[in-house]
Amino acid sequence: ILNVEQSPQSLHVQEGDSTNFTCSFPSSNFYALHWYRWETAKSPEALFVMTLNGDEKKKGRISATLNTKEGYSYLYIKGSQPEDSATYLCASVQIVGDYKLSFGAGTTVTVRA
Amino acid sequence: DAGVTQSPTHLIKTRGQQVTLRCSPKSGHDTVSWYQQALGQGPQFIFQYYEEEERQRGNFPDRFSGHQFPNYSSELNVNALLLGDSALYLCASSWAGGRNEQFFGPGTRLTVL
Repeated sequence: ILNVEQSPQSLHVQEGDSTNFTCSFPSSNFYALHWYRWETAKSPEALFVMTLNGDEKKKGRISATLNTKEGYSYLYIKGSQPEDSATYLCASVQIVGDYKLSFGAGTTVTVRA
Repeated sequence: DAGVTQSPTHLIKTRGQQVTLRCSPKSGHDTVSWYQQALGQGPQFIFQYYEEEERQRGNFPDRFSGHQFPNYSSELNVNALLLGDSALYLCASSWAGGRNEQFFGPGTRLTVL
C-alpha cells in the first residue's frame, strides 16, 4: 500500500482568490500521478494524468505540476469560483506490477462568494 | 454515453448479511476496478477485473469477492458483513487492461447496522 498524502485536508478560499495544495507520494518506482475532482453527490472526474518529472498540465483555471524526484505534485486553482468547490484527490501509480491507483485522502476546497 | 453506472445508490444491511453491488462500465471499456472509501479516507483499491478474471487485488479479506460478465459489467459481493464495511463503494472502468484513465461511477453507499 503506497503512502500518498494530501495537504491541507481542507481549505476555504474567497471567490476570486487563487490557491494551491499538495500531494506527496513515494518517488521510488513512480509511474504516474492522477488528479481527480469530486463534487458532492457526483462521480470523481479525472483532471490530469502526469508521468514525466517537471510535467505541467492545465485545464481552464486549474493546473498541476509534478516533481517525481522528490515525490510531490501541486494543484493550482487560479481565480477560484464557487463551482470549484469540491474534494480534489490525487492517486499515485507505481511501475511495479499492474496499474493500480493509490489514493490520498483528498483536499476539500470550499470557495466562498 | 451513460458513463459508469452503479446500483443501488444506497443500501442498508445488518451484520452478518451478504450484499451485492453492481457496476456497468463506460461504453468501450473492458476493465473494472472496485474501491472502498471509508469516512475521512481516500478510496482504497479492492480488486480489478479484466477479461472476466480478477487480475489484481488489494489488501481486503476473502469476504470480498467479485465477478465480471461477458458484457464487462461487474459485481462486488461482500459476505458476513461487519460494521466496518460501511463505506462508499466506487466502481471505475478503463480500457486496454486498465493502463489508461479510469472513469468513476457515483458510488453505492453501504450502511451496515
